[in-house]
Amino acid sequence: ETGVTQSPTHLIKTRGQQVTLRCSSQSGHNTVSWYQQALGQGPQFIFQYYREEENGRGNFPPRFSGLQFPNYSSELNVNALELDDSALYLCASSLGGGTQETQYFGPGTRLLVL
Amino acid sequence: QKEVEQNSGPLSVPEGAIASLNCTYSDRGSQSFFWYRQYSGKSPELIMSIYSNGDKEDGRFTAQLNKASQYVSLLIRDSQPSDSATYLCAGVFYNTDKLIFGTGTRLQVFP
Repeated sequence: ETGVTQSPTHLIKTRGQQVTLRCSSQSGHNTVSWYQQALGQGPQFIFQYYREEENGRGNFPPRFSGLQFPNYSSELNVNALELDDSALYLCASSLGGGTQETQYFGPGTRLLVL
Repeated sequence: QKEVEQNSGPLSVPEGAIASLNCTYSDRGSQSFFWYRQYSGKSPELIMSIYSNGDKEDGRFTAQLNKASQYVSLLIRDSQPSDSATYLCAGVFYNTDKLIFGTGTRLQVFP
């Protein structure tokens, strides 16, 4: 167990709806990164939050947004859901945003868009 | 343009053998590399990190990094059926904080 938790574990939505996914980082970690993992693919970086500020973003449209709270937990929001958004959403926490900081993953939220 | 590449496999090895997993990357400004193991339906779990050229050993696992040739490998000695999983190679490249993952190599260890 990494100490990183995510909720919900599974979610079913319909196209056009909005969804909010939550992540609680490991104790002492101030950085949360979000990844999308489609079936058969490696995780793709969405964005990272460091001390409540966005600290890097991958190639995802603006309808993917997030925030980080003072306790370093984080939310990922996706608006106007599309079928291709169906995936496993992973958050990972780390101490600091340095290049040698190990990221520890939560169990993930599996999202199905119908 | 893929920055981290892995053979998707499956790589099949008999129990007790050495499994060799390879990963290449395109950016010479690489900083750090990580190997994660992912069981079906689960999230990635860290096996090893490696930052410097050479070998790094941890139990049955050895990570190797060759920055001149731009490859990273993971050797698993005395492979067990419980090692059957997808192994993800990830790198953190210069001036970024994001992990770039390969597509993963599926390893099958048969008794």
